[in-house]
Amino acid sequence: EVQLVESGGGLVQPGESLKLSCAASGFTFSYYWMSWVRQAPGKGLEWVANIKQDGSERYYVDSVKGRFTISRDNAKNSLYLQMNSLRAEDTAVYYCARDTLHIRGWWFDPWGQGTLVTVSS
Amino acid sequence: SYELTQPPSVSVSPGHTASISCSGDTLGDKYACWYQQKPGQSPVLVIYQDSQRPSGIPERFSGSKSGNTATLTISGTQALDEADYYCQAWDSNYVVFGGGTKLTVL
Repeated sequence: EVQLVESGGGLVQPGESLKLSCAASGFTFSYYWMSWVRQAPGKGLEWVANIKQDGSERYYVDSVKGRFTISRDNAKNSLYLQMNSLRAEDTAVYYCARDTLHIRGWWFDPWGQGTLVTVSS
Repeated sequence: SYELTQPPSVSVSPGHTASISCSGDTLGDKYACWYQQKPGQSPVLVIYQDSQRPSGIPERFSGSKSGNTATLTISGTQALDEADYYCQAWDSNYVVFGGGTKLTVL
């Protein structure tokens, strides 16, 4: 069974850092692009970042560029999101998702259960 | 930046057909996909490549596209289909989601 399990969420103060992890199982992790997607309370979905199979390409939504870093360890079947200089507007449930790419499209399947990050003083 | 527009809400009676639209500039040149999200749960892919259904998704879910508008259609809508639905597309290495549509079955 393909499974993604996020961890590392919690309550932090503005300006602090947090590192999220996503443990993958049930598929060959190194074959896939991977993404982080977030959802603020009561709001819609927002793609945050993704990373190529070997880590050689990474893309970010403008609002997190320079603050967040996506990484992966294929030997550990794990995806990470290092979040620095956190702001109140980063408060959200963060989902890990497996990407499928096509020349004309990109979609996510499956998704993890999510981990909640709350940025508040 | 690229944007996808969905109606905030759609209502349907049980057993009837629900249609949710998603529009965006040049969407006709890209594949659209759709996710279902029930309260407190993670999103689930229900349609990819405009009209393909992943394994395990009921046949009553279908997708289509005309010009720059993609449509998710749920035939014979059931109470358990009540959820938020999001369209999504890809533009220049960036992923974009629509604002979401709350489907109410009443």
